[in-house]
Amino acid sequence: KAGVTQTPRYLIKTRGQQVTLSCSPISGHRSVSWYQQTPGQGLQFLFEYFSETQRNKGNFPGRFSGRQFSNSRSEMNVSTLELGDSALYLCASSFRLAGGPHNEQFFGPGTRLTVL
Amino acid sequence: GQQVMQIPQYQHVQEGEDFTTYCNSSTTLSNIQWYKQRPGGHPVFLIQLVKSGEVKKQKRLTFQFGEAKKNSSLHITATQTTDVGTYFCAGPGGVTDSWGKLQFGAGTQVVVTP
Repeated sequence: KAGVTQTPRYLIKTRGQQVTLSCSPISGHRSVSWYQQTPGQGLQFLFEYFSETQRNKGNFPGRFSGRQFSNSRSEMNVSTLELGDSALYLCASSFRLAGGPHNEQFFGPGTRLTVL
Repeated sequence: GQQVMQIPQYQHVQEGEDFTTYCNSSTTLSNIQWYKQRPGGHPVFLIQLVKSGEVKKQKRLTFQFGEAKKNSSLHITATQTTDVGTYFCAGPGGVTDSWGKLQFGAGTQVVVTP
């Protein structure tokens, strides 16, 4: 099976702009989670989508949003970019039954976002 | 809220030596997962522990879940240069229907000296 893919891999934006990141999960995986990784804060959960619905949300401002499509692909959007949004954004997919637990999360290579 | 703490933050190891990294939670965990992230890479799942007192081995790696399910450890024997990377523990981020939300520890960055 192909792994989790994320596009673009690298992105440079300026403050105030907005950005959209894309994630394609492993075939058959319906749960997609997004994480932000920075040297200072480590890995922080952004949100999880399952069956096109946001199931969980982390402690991030409303500038961070996401969605999931019927084919389980997911996008996240960050509006009004700030310097502190510079980070590696990781997407992870997992197999998850409705209402049930799932096993490991499979991470994509990430999108490295730099805000100038 | 739940916090997952991991120590040490850095671990310098001579090749061939053993080391252990520890993970502690402020609350009881239903399960704990371990991931490894190589430099420049992304986290890769290593193992999940579910039962109290559970011990699992993967070649030179031994994972343990505490009896109270509030702590876990990863012990690596005879460290090799391929063990370089950051090891993260992660617990469920909430109580119900939170399986897609992982609370990661800060990680232990392992450097191996030949």
